[in-house]
Amino acid sequence: DVKVTQSSRYLVKRTGEKVFLECVQDMDHENMFWYRQDPGLGLRLIYFSYDVKMKEKGDIPEGYSVSREKKERFSLILESASTNQTSMYLCASEAGGSWFGYTFGSGTRLTVV
Amino acid sequence: AQSVTQLDSHVSVSEGTPVLLRCNYSSSYSPSLFWYVQHPNKGLQLLLKYTSAATLVKGINGFEAEFKKSETSFHLTKPSAHMSDAAEYFCVVSDRLDTGRRALTFGSGTRLQVQP
Repeated sequence: DVKVTQSSRYLVKRTGEKVFLECVQDMDHENMFWYRQDPGLGLRLIYFSYDVKMKEKGDIPEGYSVSREKKERFSLILESASTNQTSMYLCASEAGGSWFGYTFGSGTRLTVV
Repeated sequence: AQSVTQLDSHVSVSEGTPVLLRCNYSSSYSPSLFWYVQHPNKGLQLLLKYTSAATLVKGINGFEAEFKKSETSFHLTKPSAHMSDAAEYFCVVSDRLDTGRRALTFGSGTRLQVQP
């Protein structure tokens, strides 16, 4: 089975800190995604990537950036964390062109204080 | 543009009774549709998917969904609820962005409670 691993399950950061959320997948998938999940809002797409060094903005990219230097790793960066970025962050991957649906990581719950 | 509306934020059923979780979508093209389940403190798991083959789709754990284009609906059903079905369920539509790429849009979720 495809495995998508998010490096931290829980994180607590201070306002203004630069925060890195890491995601690694082990099945050579081309496509990777970052979502945030908030109660009553479902999942909202922050950024996605269809290839190494390639990125596209999702629905809510403000305050975030991403990096994809290697195919298996997709990092989400909060340049200056704010309390309204307290959320559950989910990474997903998918084989390009297959359309079998996404495989999700177990999530990182980030609290910004 | 695509969107998904899950008509109930909470559904409560008794164990052994049928489950119905409702979902309506809008899409500019021919969509693919999915249901995902999320158990407490767990990641999202794919229950089933519709990709323009049979309109009645069978998934894992006895769940089914029927794609009705005329009603733009993709409701999730199960004949008999089990306690282990208690979770949050997300209806998801996949469609093409303006760039030609596909991306998923999630509904806001339905929390299913199963009473003993």
